[in-house]
This record gives sequence, C-alpha cells and structure tokens, in this order.
Amino acid sequence: SQKIEQNSEALNIQEGKTATLTCNYTNYSPAYLQWYRQDPGRGPVFLLLIRENEKEKRKERLKVTFDTTLKQSLFHITASQPADSATYLCAPNSPLGSGGGADGLTFGKGTHLIIQP
Amino acid sequence: NAGVTQTPKFQVLKTGQSMTLQCAQDMNHNSMYWYRQDPGMGLRLIYYSASEGTTDKGEVPNGYNVSRLNKREFSLRLESAAPSQTSVYFCASSERPPGATNEKLFFGSGTQLSVL
Repeated sequence: SQKIEQNSEALNIQEGKTATLTCNYTNYSPAYLQWYRQDPGRGPVFLLLIRENEKEKRKERLKVTFDTTLKQSLFHITASQPADSATYLCAPNSPLGSGGGADGLTFGKGTHLIIQP
Repeated sequence: NAGVTQTPKFQVLKTGQSMTLQCAQDMNHNSMYWYRQDPGMGLRLIYYSASEGTTDKGEVPNGYNVSRLNKREFSLRLESAAPSQTSVYFCASSERPPGATNEKLFFGSGTQLSVL
C-alpha cells in the first residue's frame, strides 16, 4: 500500500538558518507533490506544487525539490523566522486510474517545525 | 473572502447520537472533500464529491454518509456516533477534480468532535 513518511519528531531550527523537511513515499509514483502548512487549530494551507518533471520549485523563501528516483521531496525554508513555526504536510498525488490507491491527494502525517529566536 | 466555511466548530456527542457537519464554499469549486485528522494518523479522506450530484468513498468511509446538496454545500452525517469517531474534521474544496493536475485544496478551519 502507499506509504508517506515525514519526520515524526519536531524539528528545531535557529532563526535565520535554513530548515529542511523530508518527505519520502513508497509503493506509488505520484505525478506531482504538494506541500501544505498547518497552524494549530486551523486547516492546512497550500504552499507549493511540484510536478514529476520538475526538479526544483521556488516561491520567495521556500524551495521544494522532487526526486522521483529516490522517491523523495525536500522542503526548504531559507532565512527562517519564528513565524515559520508550524506543521508542514506533504501530499503526493496519483492521477485517477493510475492504480496508485486513493484518488487524488494522500497526506503525510506532517513535520512540526519550531524556529527558535 | 470566506472561502470554505464549516459549522459547528466544536461538538460533543454521546455514543449513538447523530449529527450533520455542514460545509459551504464560495469559490465556485467543483470538487469537495471531507477529511478527518487524528494524532499520529495525519489527514485521511472520508468521502469526496468530484461534482454536484456525485459522491465517492475515500479511505475511511465507514460510519459516515455525505450529501452534495448543491455546488456550494457538502455535508457529512454521522448516523450513530461512536467514540472512534472522535476527531477533527476538515472540509476542503478544489477547482479541479480529484487526481487532476493542479488539484490544490482549500480547507475550512475544522470541526472538533468528541464522542463520549
């Protein structure tokens, strides 16, 4: 069955440093992968989408990479700030009928990121 | 700028009681979804609706029913609540159908449900 792995333990990073979060997946081949941010008591908010034929995607201080050979995506926040503290979810997708399992997006459990001042 | 609106925000039920969670979106999206989020389990899809008039089961549909009332509204019903249904429930919508490229989800703020 499909499996998505994200760092289960909280990630503590010093303010100003680069935070790197990992998402590994097994048993399917997503056509694209999304990253969401979730704050306590709130719903997830979409951040970035990267397609299987894209190696890297950037948006302001955010960068996502997608390695279909390693079955891994890395999510980077450069010049991190305390306001970046949140839980970050990765969500690989499988097209309908691809045999990937659940239709559409499947979410990882998320990594809790803490940026220390 | 309401986006996806869920009601209620909090609910406590006794085992065996029924209730309906309401969800409405004002973005003219075709697809709507219900997820539950439990500690250590992540978001799991309960049901989804790719368009008005259609609904399909997700990963964990047992114990739930849904109704796509119109394009805006998608409700989730618990006919006989069980303690295992204690969770945070999120409604989401997307302009694109499930599995489509650029299927970005917009989430509501959630309903925290406790079943005693």
